[in-house]
Amino acid sequence: EVQLLESGGGLVQPGGSLRLSCVASEITFSSFAMTWVRQAPGKGLEWVSTISRSRGSTYYADSVKGRFTISRDTSKNTVYLQMNSLRVEDTALYYCAKGVHGQTDDAFDLWGQGTMVTVSS
Amino acid sequence: DIQMTQSPSTLSASVGDRVTITCRASQSISGWLAWYQQKPGTAPKLLIYKASTLESGVPSRFSGSGSGTEFTLTISSLQPGDFATYYCHQYNTIQGTFGQGTKLEI
Repeated sequence: EVQLLESGGGLVQPGGSLRLSCVASEITFSSFAMTWVRQAPGKGLEWVSTISRSRGSTYYADSVKGRFTISRDTSKNTVYLQMNSLRVEDTALYYCAKGVHGQTDDAFDLWGQGTMVTVSS
Repeated sequence: DIQMTQSPSTLSASVGDRVTITCRASQSISGWLAWYQQKPGTAPKLLIYKASTLESGVPSRFSGSGSGTEFTLTISSLQPGDFATYYCHQYNTIQGTFGQGTKLEI
């Protein structure tokens, strides 16, 4: 089955770190840029970060730049989001998503189920 | 950053109604716009991309139009499963941005 499966979320104190993972199944992982999108409780969608399919170029929202790092391991069909210096406002459901055409600027036709990150003391 | 403004924020309608949701961009995004449907507790689902291209498997009662800065999503005849929240998404830039959402309720 074609799917994305996120993991790694949890409860962390402000200033702490988490690493999210997203494993892709039944897709040609190396052919697609991968993206993280988050949704705070009861709020809308926010683009967080994208990694390109080939050279691994990375892009970040201003709100996470310098704190989050996106990476990918093609041998494991996995994309990661390392989150450091977490803030209360980072609390959200984090989705990974795949683009329609594999490009870094793309609509997203496949989403995971999300993994919840809660930053609280 | 490009700002996306959806209207209305909430839309009340009935089964069988034709409804339209509007999305405006703060600057031209050509046709690089997508629409998603999200139901409570589930991930967004792609309905339309490139402003008017229907995603595979999406019913033809959904349609999109527009270019530049103004876009619309139309549902021609509402079905019970269409009551959800809808988001527009510009991907003219890698730092894509989403509208704030339109909740379509009965």
